[in-house]
Amino acid sequence: QSVLTQPPSASGTPGQRVTMSCSGSSSNIGSNYVYWYQQLPGTAPKLLIYRNDQRPSGIPDRFSGSKSGTSASLAISGLRSEDEADYYCAAWDDSLSVVLFGGGTKLTVL
Amino acid sequence: DVQLLESGGGSVQPGGSLRLSCAASGFTFNNYAMSWVRQAPGKGLEWVSAMSGSGGSTYYADSVKGRFTISRDNSKNTLYLQMNSLSAEDTAVYYCARGGSGSYPALGWGQGTLVTVSS
Repeated sequence: QSVLTQPPSASGTPGQRVTMSCSGSSSNIGSNYVYWYQQLPGTAPKLLIYRNDQRPSGIPDRFSGSKSGTSASLAISGLRSEDEADYYCAAWDDSLSVVLFGGGTKLTVL
Repeated sequence: DVQLLESGGGSVQPGGSLRLSCAASGFTFNNYAMSWVRQAPGKGLEWVSAMSGSGGSTYYADSVKGRFTISRDNSKNTLYLQMNSLSAEDTAVYYCARGGSGSYPALGWGQGTLVTVSS
């Protein structure tokens, strides 16, 4: 099954702002909410952003999400070393009736 | 707090079967969709299956359709995944995930249980 497209890697230095993208189509991102997850090494994924741009309680406002058309973005400002992790986007696909995940973006804090 | 505790993972030979369980607490279980998501060693997340809160709707990834069956017992606050005809490609950590009241992407995750398919 098709996946949402994410760049495999991203990097930044402490304090910087980084963004990562998630590209889909009209049947998934174009018509449904986007979710973002953070997965630290050796741990379960954690919800970062839901419904395109909403942060769960406890998620700092350094993390923000946005969506435009069939693409979405996750931005992290004031980058910290503990942000080094894998980041995944996800969305429901109306045509396939499945949840699609992006391949993940590995963020390196230099 | 939402808590999801998976169990039932382990080692199984190719062609074998395994049933995973996910005990849920901290929320009204039958109000929420539930999913299984897996992650093969060194790979990304792969959605496997989902079920609506009532159990009336089920969805599967093509990779497991016809081999895996998702079910839930709302009286026991427990989600299940029956896995048959297992192959090496099914080796992964399997996560139980809670969706929304009418949506399937995960809002909360369990810690995962490892399934290894090997002869």
